[in-house]
Amino acid sequence: DSGVTQTPKHLITATGQRVTLRCSPRSGDLSVYWYQQSLDQGLQFLIQYYNGEERAKGNILERFSAQQFPDLHSELNLSSLELGDSALYFCASSVDGLNTEAFFGQGTRLTVV
Amino acid sequence: GESVGLHLPTLSVQEGDNSIINCAYSNSASDYFIWYKQESGKGPQFIIDIRSNMDKRQGQRVTVLLNKTVKHLSLQIAATQPGDSAVYFCAENEGGSYIPTFGRGTSLIVHP
Repeated sequence: DSGVTQTPKHLITATGQRVTLRCSPRSGDLSVYWYQQSLDQGLQFLIQYYNGEERAKGNILERFSAQQFPDLHSELNLSSLELGDSALYFCASSVDGLNTEAFFGQGTRLTVV
Repeated sequence: GESVGLHLPTLSVQEGDNSIINCAYSNSASDYFIWYKQESGKGPQFIIDIRSNMDKRQGQRVTVLLNKTVKHLSLQIAATQPGDSAVYFCAENEGGSYIPTFGRGTSLIVHP
């Protein structure tokens, strides 16, 4: 158990809908990362937050947004969903936001039908 | 469990053999490299890391080798066990960017 908790574990929704994925980092970790893993693209970095503020942005679509709350949990919002958004979404956390030894959650499997 | 990818390079070994998983990275400015292991249905798990001022680092049963000249990284697993069966990813990061780039992964299958 990495100590990073993601909910829900599975999500099935229709195209055009909006969903929110939630991540609770390990106790004491200030930084949260979001990744998308699809069969044909591998692990893609989406966005990073450190102590409530956005620190780095990767290949995140404009339809997607995220935030980190004062209690350090984070949410990833995916809107106007398309079939191609079906993927595993991982959250990771690390102590100092320098991407050293980031710990990953078990992921949320999103299926868009 | 869930598969993490199709069409991945696959390495099949016998239990007890040593395994070598290779990774070619793309950015000559990358200065920090990490190996992750991902078992079916789970998130990636940190195995070992290495910075660009080193060419070798050892952990428990694992060794990472870095060849900056040819931009190549390898992960050696000694006395491979069935529990080592997983997909292995290398990731590279350029100092100050905090945006790691993951390789596509290699599937390791260990036969008892």
